[in-house]
Amino acid sequence: EVQLLESGGGLVQPGGSLRVSCAASGFTFSSYAMSWVRQAPGKGLEWVSGITGSGGATYYADSVKGRFTISRDNSKNTVFLQMNSLRAEDTAVYYCAKFPGSRGVVLVRDYFDYWGLGILVTVSS
Amino acid sequence: QSVLTQPPSVSGAPGQRVTISCTGSSSNIGAGFDVHWYQQLPGTAPKLLIYGNTNRPSGVPDRLSGSKSGTSASLAITGLQAEDEAHYYCQSYDSSLSAWVFGGGTKLTVI
Repeated sequence: EVQLLESGGGLVQPGGSLRVSCAASGFTFSSYAMSWVRQAPGKGLEWVSGITGSGGATYYADSVKGRFTISRDNSKNTVFLQMNSLRAEDTAVYYCAKFPGSRGVVLVRDYFDYWGLGILVTVSS
Repeated sequence: QSVLTQPPSVSGAPGQRVTISCTGSSSNIGAGFDVHWYQQLPGTAPKLLIYGNTNRPSGVPDRLSGSKSGTSASLAITGLQAEDEAHYYCQSYDSSLSAWVFGGGTKLTVI
């Protein structure tokens, strides 16, 4: 059974940094690309970032480019999102999500077949 | 303002059929990119309902179906049940943004 469990959320001041993690189980982690999707309170879903199975390629939404960094440790079945220069508008529940293809690549026709429970990140003074 | 446009809300009585529309543009749905649908029950994570425009993952009932035409897509739910009350989101890829994009979400109320 695929399981994704986020951790590391919390309250951070504007301009601060935070790293959230997602521990995966139930599938061959290194064979699958992963992603982060966020949801601001009472709002819709917003794709944030993606990474291939090998970690060799990364993708970012314009809203976070240059501030957020996605990475992964395939030996620990974990994907990370390092968030710097945080703003109030980054306040959201951050979901870890899995891409479906088993070749570890990211395709434009892709979707998110499994999601974690989400972790709340609050940016406020 | 979401790249994909959905109605904020739809409603229907138990047993009825409802549809949720998702309207895009020439840089996403109209460019031929697939549309996918998710259900989000209150306080929970999104769940994949439809992928590749019309395909249901294992475990999703055939009361739910997806379609796509031109720059739009639709999710249809027949035999509406109380447990269908949730938010529904469409998703595709946008070539102008180089990003996976979502609709703003539709709240389905079973009255």
